[in-house]
This record gives sequence, structure tokens and C-alpha cells, in this order.
Amino acid sequence: KAGVTQTPRYLIKTRGQQVTLSCSPISGHRSVSWYQQTPGQGLQFLFEYFSETQRNKGNFPGRFSGRQFSNSRSEMNVSTLELGDSALYLCASSVGTPFPYEQYFGPGTRLTVT
Amino acid sequence: QKEVEQDPGPLSVPEGAIVSLNCTYSNSAFQYFMWYRQYSRKGPELLMYTYSSGNKEDGRFTAQVDKSSKYISLFIRDSQPSDSATYLCAMGVNFGNEKLTFGTGTRLTIIP
Repeated sequence: KAGVTQTPRYLIKTRGQQVTLSCSPISGHRSVSWYQQTPGQGLQFLFEYFSETQRNKGNFPGRFSGRQFSNSRSEMNVSTLELGDSALYLCASSVGTPFPYEQYFGPGTRLTVT
Repeated sequence: QKEVEQDPGPLSVPEGAIVSLNCTYSNSAFQYFMWYRQYSRKGPELLMYTYSSGNKEDGRFTAQVDKSSKYISLFIRDSQPSDSATYLCAMGVNFGNEKLTFGTGTRLTIIP
């Protein structure tokens, strides 16, 4: 079974720009979660989508948004990029219900903001 | 204070040694606990998950949860150089809530 895929793998943007990252979950998985990983803060939860609906949200500003399509693929968007947005963005998929919630991560998108 | 505390290390042990990795947490609502392994430039890989207090064993790995002390551990027996990675603990609250709260990770190096 193919794993979680994320595109692009690397991205360089300048401050003020916006960026869209894509995640394709494991086939049959309906839940996609997004995390930001930085050396100082570790992995921080951004949001989770299940069947095209945002089910949970972390404590990030509104510049961070996402969506999920009917085929469970998900995108996240960051508008008005700041230097502090430089991070590894990871998505994880799971069946979403019922327990247990084994989340499987993709390789991540490394975003660098200059 | 963070909800989940994990010693960042680095931790270096000789090959064949038993490794103990630990996390403490403050949120008593956490109900399930996971350990992930992350190699450099890769996404985290799920190693084990547990739902209740007690021990769970999988090959060379044993996960231990003590909810009364809000303390979880991962033991690695007969450690191998291929175990060198960053180990992350993660915790979740309840069904229907996919949010995981992670520790910052412990960097482990197994010396041949």
C-alpha cells in the first residue's frame, strides 16, 4: 500500500508571498492532519480534516488554512509568509474512525522563507 | 509549562545496550499514547501506541504507561545502530479528536 505523499518536498519563498502544500493520504484514509515541525517547538498541530470538514484546529493564526477534497487529498495554504513560517510541514493520515487513531506521516515539505 | 515534556538528549549508548526514553505530561485527559521514530529528513514513523496503563511489547520495543504518575516510557532492548534516530512521544485525548500533542523528541545515537 502506498504511503502518504507530500508535494513539493522543498520550497523557497519570500516574505509576503503565499504558498500551497499538497498531501495525498493512504488509500482508504479519510482523515488528514497537518503539523508544523521546527527545532524549537517540535511538532505542533495545525488542523485536521475528515470527510472534507475541518474537525479540529490548533492554535495558529488565520494565515494558515486548509481544505480537503472528496478524494481525501488535502491542501494547506499559508498566506503572507513570515520568516518564522520556515519549517517542515508534515501531514498525517488515518482512517479517522473508529479507534485506534494510528496516524501515518508523509515525508514532509521543507519550507524556507527568505 | 508544556503539556508534554521530553528530554531532548542527545543520548548516546553502545550497541546492545537497553535504551530508556521517557515523557511526562500534565494533561490528565490524555487517553492514548504513541511513540514515533524519525530519521533525519524523514517523516515520523509510528512505532507503538497504547491506550491504557501497563506495558505493551513489540519485538525489541516495550512501551510503558503509568497514568497515575503521568509518565510514559519506551524501552529498546538489544539496541542497534539502525535505531539511531529521534524518538517522539505523542498523546491524544479522545475518540473523534485526531489532534496529537508531541514531545520535542529525544535524539538517540547507538554507537557500534
